[in-house]
Amino acid sequence: AQSVTQPDIHITVSEGASLELRCNYSYGATPYLFWYVQSPGQGLQLLLKYFSGDTLVQGIKGFEAEFKRSQSSFNLRKPSVHWSDAAEYFCAVAALFSGGYNKLIFGAGTRLAVHP
Amino acid sequence: AAGVIQSPRHLIKEKRETATLKCYPIPRHDTVYWYQQGPGQDPQFLISFYEKMQSDKGSIPDRFSAQQFSDYHSELNMSSLELGDSALYFCASSARANNEQFFGPGTRLTVL
Repeated sequence: AQSVTQPDIHITVSEGASLELRCNYSYGATPYLFWYVQSPGQGLQLLLKYFSGDTLVQGIKGFEAEFKRSQSSFNLRKPSVHWSDAAEYFCAVAALFSGGYNKLIFGAGTRLAVHP
Repeated sequence: AAGVIQSPRHLIKEKRETATLKCYPIPRHDTVYWYQQGPGQDPQFLISFYEKMQSDKGSIPDRFSAQQFSDYHSELNMSSLELGDSALYFCASSARANNEQFFGPGTRLTVL
């Protein structure tokens, strides 16, 4: 069965520092991977996605993620964090069936706090 | 660009009451997904529809039912509400050819 693990429940960084949020997945075939961000009480905003091709994907707000099949990982990175990046970050994997997507399976999330 | 619309945005109900949540997908999207996010939890898949037929089912209680209508909007019906049903309910839509899910803002349901 598919699963997603985000080992870090909380991360605190200083503004301007670099950031890496970890994500490991379990999926039998080539995964479709996503990172979403959620501000308190708000909806889910897609940061970036990996379907195939280049394993380093660029997203919005200066985020990027690298797919590493050998490590079953899809870590999210940002070179310089802004105070507005404080939020909950979810990694997700989608199962693929019959030419279309099935459900998204989310990790438990990582809450990011940013110190001024 | 048009986004996924959910209504109502907030809903307060008493135990044992019923609730209906509505989702209007992005135009030309044929697939709708429902997710439930409890306090401090990650979103959990409930059910999905493709072309008005149920395509997959997750951890949806028997007290809940859903359908997708001819105009592709979807409704999640929840009966005999329990305190534990208090959560944020998200709807997402996708076009089969694109396969990327776009999320609505969610409906916050509070059961008292």
